[in-house]
Amino acid sequence: DQQVKQNSPSLSVQEGRISILNCDYTNSMFDYFLWYKKYPAEGPTFLISISSIKDKNEDGRFTVFLNKSAKHLSLHIVPSQPGDSAVYFCAARLTGGGNKLTFGTGTQLKVEL
Amino acid sequence: GAGVSQSPRYKVAKRGQDVALRCDPISGHVSLFWYQQALGQGPEFLTYFQNEAQLDKSGLPSDRFFAERPEGSVSTLKIQRTQQEDSAVYLCASSFYDRALDLSDNEQFFGPGTRLTVL
Repeated sequence: DQQVKQNSPSLSVQEGRISILNCDYTNSMFDYFLWYKKYPAEGPTFLISISSIKDKNEDGRFTVFLNKSAKHLSLHIVPSQPGDSAVYFCAARLTGGGNKLTFGTGTQLKVEL
Repeated sequence: GAGVSQSPRYKVAKRGQDVALRCDPISGHVSLFWYQQALGQGPEFLTYFQNEAQLDKSGLPSDRFFAERPEGSVSTLKIQRTQQEDSAVYLCASSFYDRALDLSDNEQFFGPGTRLTVL
């Protein structure tokens, strides 16, 4: 049972435009959500996070939105740059579950010139 | 600065062989995690240590998988009698855990992973 889902395996956007990556979850006990970015042959690196008590968190070009009623979160990248091309993973942490993370299957973002 | 390192980076094993994968966490990091990432999937939790104590091993897929962290720093993930379905990238992550800190500040830093191929 996939508790964190990223239904778009790939996304292609033009440089300078907005990239929107989506993530859905099924477990209402998740209390913290994170986005990780992964380049080939490297481990995931932390990008941005949001607590379940908030609906928006912004860090430079990156903004994460959380809609708890819809169990949906999204990552917005504005403006998109070629260096943003990578696989993006959505992850969630369970209340009382320690700090272990449940990941989605990832979305491959390609930013084209 | 030194990040999380893992060795070997690549490992090819014949079915039935035992393998040992090493993780060197960031110095001073109390928490250490192992994840398994199959091709085309996201990382899946295997096990978690706080110092030398293994607090959660609920993600280990079978009793062929064993992890240890005897001195609270370096960790080894051992897989006995490897099977083809064990082929995956094994990721290690560490985080600085201090009970005074909010867990929301507890970023996990990942190593580059070990790609295991079982023939």
